[in-house]
Amino acid sequence: GAVVSQHPSRVICKSGTSVKIECRSLDFQATTMFWYRQFPKKSLMLMATSNEGSKATYEQGVEKDKFLINHASLTLSTLTVTSAHPEDSSFYICSAAGGLERHGYTFGSGTRLTVV
Amino acid sequence: GNSVTQMEGPVTLSEEAFLTINCTYTATGYPSLFWYVQYPGEGLQLLLKATKADDKGSNKGFEATYRKETTSFHLEKGSVQVSDSAVYFCALSDQAGTASKLTFGTGTRLQVTL
Repeated sequence: GAVVSQHPSRVICKSGTSVKIECRSLDFQATTMFWYRQFPKKSLMLMATSNEGSKATYEQGVEKDKFLINHASLTLSTLTVTSAHPEDSSFYICSAAGGLERHGYTFGSGTRLTVV
Repeated sequence: GNSVTQMEGPVTLSEEAFLTINCTYTATGYPSLFWYVQYPGEGLQLLLKATKADDKGSNKGFEATYRKETTSFHLEKGSVQVSDSAVYFCALSDQAGTASKLTFGTGTRLQVTL
């Protein structure tokens, strides 16, 4: 089946630093990737949608300069949290879509970010 | 816009009890419907899906039927196990065949005890 690898699974960083999260589709080409943020005991909030080779589309209220998304190839998308602050601490999950009928939406295992 | 409403949790059941988690939706057109499961500290896994009215999705003993007349997609399992303890998310996608975004419900936490 389709597999999406997300790294790192956990990261602790200091305020003001930047953190990069990678999301790779291992056995299929992901033309579209989605980045979600999940708050404790809450649902997933879509942050942005990225298509390979083009700029990401951000949801309303999400700062594109703070959450940089790069989808440079059909198997890799990255989310960089720039100048992180404690309020950015959250669980971030990526999802890759390579064609709904065949692969549907495959989710990464998530990244727990803690900013101290 | 699209929306998904799930019953509030947590739901606590004894092993072998019957499970129902209600899910209703609002969408234009004919959405595809999904149930995802999230185990502690992990990402989401697709549990089952249905792409058109009256379709029944099933997996691992779980079932859900796409009811267009009631705009519902309730999740059921006849006999739950402790290993089913997780958070369950109902979701919809309003475009079939293309990679459109998913709209999630708030999730329902299920706790199964011995």
